[in-house]
Amino acid sequence: SQTIHQWPATLVQPVGSPLSLECTVEGTSNPNLYWYRQAAGRGLQLLFYSVGIGQISSEVPQNLSASRPQDRQFILSSKKLLLSDSGFYLCAWGQGNSPLHFGNGTRLTVT
Amino acid sequence: DAKTTQPTSMDCAEGRAANLPCNHSTISGNEYVYWYRQIHSQGPQYIIHGLKNNETNEMASLIITEDRKSSTLILPHATLRDTAVYYCIVRGYTGTASKLTFGTGTRLQVTL
Repeated sequence: SQTIHQWPATLVQPVGSPLSLECTVEGTSNPNLYWYRQAAGRGLQLLFYSVGIGQISSEVPQNLSASRPQDRQFILSSKKLLLSDSGFYLCAWGQGNSPLHFGNGTRLTVT
Repeated sequence: DAKTTQPTSMDCAEGRAANLPCNHSTISGNEYVYWYRQIHSQGPQYIIHGLKNNETNEMASLIITEDRKSSTLILPHATLRDTAVYYCIVRGYTGTASKLTFGTGTRLQVTL
């Protein structure tokens, strides 16, 4: 069966520091991969999605970037974190018209 | 993707059926209705989806009106563990990456 892993579960980083969040999927090949963010008390916002290695689509302009170096690996990065980058970051995978499945998320606090 | 309208919150007694409504009056013919739920501090969990026929699985039932402008998610015997935010989402399939656009959802509180 397919599983999705995100780490770390929680992260506290100072303003101006870099960020790297990793997501991997097991048990499938060539998945579509997604990064969402949920600010405190808010809904989920799609940040990036990818349909294949090296193919990244950005939904909103921001201080973050995404990369897909391998088929089942999706990385969310920032060179310098802002306070506004705090939130709950969720990775998801899907294929075709099948439902998206989400990881357990990373709670990022920028101080 | 079409927009959806859901009540902000609902209460349900444990053991009773929870009926969560959703309006999607601008849905297109090829768009599916999806339901997810999010328990506090966890990732959204897929529940069920449908196009025009009613659907049932081990978690819930989905009733879609004949004109497809609204639907109802039914949890037949709600438990305290069903307390969560429930999202109704209309999703089209473009043949490549099919995105989910989340609204604000319905906060369901199951009580004793």
